[in-house]
Amino acid sequence: GAVVSQHPSWVICKSGTSVKIECRSLDFQATTMFWYRQFPKQSLMLMATSNEGSKATYEQGVEKDKFLINHASLTLSTLTVTSAHPEDSSFYICSAPRGANEKLFFGSGTQLSVL
Amino acid sequence: GESVGLHLPTLSVQEGDNSIINCAYSNSASDYFIWYKQESGKGPQFIIDIRSNMDKRQGQRVTVLLNKTVKHLSLQIAATQPGDSAVYFCAETGGSYIPTFGRGTSLIVHP
Repeated sequence: GAVVSQHPSWVICKSGTSVKIECRSLDFQATTMFWYRQFPKQSLMLMATSNEGSKATYEQGVEKDKFLINHASLTLSTLTVTSAHPEDSSFYICSAPRGANEKLFFGSGTQLSVL
Repeated sequence: GESVGLHLPTLSVQEGDNSIINCAYSNSASDYFIWYKQESGKGPQFIIDIRSNMDKRQGQRVTVLLNKTVKHLSLQIAATQPGDSAVYFCAETGGSYIPTFGRGTSLIVHP
């Protein structure tokens, strides 16, 4: 079964609104989670590293004020796309490392469509 | 991994054939490699991994080969099934567990 739960699976919103995506680790604690963005037929691009109890670390070129990350507990990280625009439409995926080998497990992804 | 490309390479095979998906990586310091399978509209799913101290690792119907000399990784799928149709990504890490993803290969299995 899934070890990382991501919600919602898809969301459609109007331009200018904000959208929150949740990522939960199931049955394990994750002090770190990762957020990726994926455009159609392209690879996954790391956006940011979410750190429990501290600020997220953003990759170069990712606007931290645009993509707000909160890692409020050891099992939950949220990504909020603020003032969404059509160019923010994409597939967003979270992941969390688990186990001694810190193998990454991925959520099912969220398809965001901004009208 | 390879830089992100505009179009995914595609591999078409007949059901029952063996599939080989290739990946070139760029970081000679990478010491851990993973293959992921991603079905349409879903997140990546772990298939198999290999550390740099090995050159071959086998799983159920899958084998990963690592050639560090030429920085090449391959995934072999035996007796490919329609359910294997997906995009396959290789990923590499070096020092941290944050993988860098390759561009991916779309596998299409024809019944």
